[in-house]
Amino acid sequence: KNEVEQSPQNLTAQEGEFITINCSYSVGISALHWLQQHPGGGIVSLFMLSSGKKKHGRLIATINIQEKHSSLHITASHPRDSAVYICAAFLWRGSNYKLTFGKGTLLTVNP
Amino acid sequence: EAGVVQSPRYKIIEKKQPVAFWCNPISGHNTLYWYRQNLGQGPELLIRYENEEAVDDSQLPKDRFSAERLKGVDSTLKIQPAELGDSAVYLCASSFPGGIDYTFGSGTRLTVV
Repeated sequence: KNEVEQSPQNLTAQEGEFITINCSYSVGISALHWLQQHPGGGIVSLFMLSSGKKKHGRLIATINIQEKHSSLHITASHPRDSAVYICAAFLWRGSNYKLTFGKGTLLTVNP
Repeated sequence: EAGVVQSPRYKIIEKKQPVAFWCNPISGHNTLYWYRQNLGQGPELLIRYENEEAVDDSQLPKDRFSAERLKGVDSTLKIQPAELGDSAVYLCASSFPGGIDYTFGSGTRLTVV
């Protein structure tokens, strides 16, 4: 079992739909990243959060430390949002925190 | 600010050949990371530097992989000799200590034929 689990693995939506991607983790964390990766490999950091909620444009990220769960929401989705979204958490390793990645969610938004 | 700069962007080599990747982190970022990402998987850490010191290289296959960050700024990751299974995207990232301002480069897509 991965220490950082994402769901769903694949998600197909119609343009304009509200999208939610979920991430759960198994141990204490110091912070959590939501990353976006387009075909070709480059990764962009969307959010880094350790509590509460952050919003940037149509993207919203929330985290519940007690429940060890985070969500990434996309409002009014657009085909250009099609990408792999990766959750990465700084997991406690006994002496320090180590960034551990989920396997990603492939989002396809159709026009 | 150019961000984390990696080169080359793509590389195709024959197996048993050597290959090297270069990374220039964001100015002021003490911590530099090299990751390997296989298709359909999340990135896996190969090595982490704090300045010029490799503080976590437990996942680096040391028989064929090597890395250096001589002056604590830019870094090179080398594979010699490359194997078919090394085909992947190699990502570099940098941050301030503690993961602050964590930023990825665009990656180098390696294909070994």
